[in-house]
Amino acid sequence: GQNIDQPTEMTATEGAIVQINCTYQTSGFNGLFWYQQHAGEAPTFLSYNVLDGLEEKGRFSSFLSRSKGYSYLLLKELQMKDSASYLCAVRPFSNDYKLSFGAGTTVTVRA
Amino acid sequence: NAGVTQTPKFRVLKTGQSMTLLCAQDMNHEYMYWYRQDPGMGLRLIHYSVGEGTTAKGEVPDGYNVSRLKKQNFLLGLESAAPSQTSVYFCASRPRDRDGRNSPLHFGNGTRLTVT
Repeated sequence: GQNIDQPTEMTATEGAIVQINCTYQTSGFNGLFWYQQHAGEAPTFLSYNVLDGLEEKGRFSSFLSRSKGYSYLLLKELQMKDSASYLCAVRPFSNDYKLSFGAGTTVTVRA
Repeated sequence: NAGVTQTPKFRVLKTGQSMTLLCAQDMNHEYMYWYRQDPGMGLRLIHYSVGEGTTAKGEVPDGYNVSRLKKQNFLLGLESAAPSQTSVYFCASRPRDRDGRNSPLHFGNGTRLTVT
């Protein structure tokens, strides 16, 4: 497997910023993805990184450092609707068809 | 455009019974996947298909079989259900990567299966 690690839970206040870290162990990969999953629903795609650096999409940004085997998802100006699980996933070089997921980080936004 | 549709949404089976989960996509995607999701373990790949008539094993294939006779459909079968197969099953599809950009997965709404 790709040994993808994420914190299990995080709590933050409405309007604040939260950073969700993801570390992985793989000899190489074709992309690192972030998905959002609300309770009882299907995962939906948020962003992906192939090269090192920051990708910004509105209130959400994702960062990748391939040399460190590290990524993070940054959620800014948190809203109550951002309460969800955030899944980190990797497409390895060894099998580019497959996407391997971490266990996910449950973010709770409080008023 | 319905995207990825899974049937049924819920099912309760007794140990030893069989069933088939159906996944249909109307986006003409080449690749299709079956995942199971269990608390604390995230999404684990059961089987996948890279084209009509082809299937391959994922991380946790034991106890499951799949078929992809038509491009738009991907069936997941349980021949003899066990309590360990109680889970939420998600089907997903994606197109080939184009223009150097990775294509994301599109998920169905899941099937909640309980085996007693």
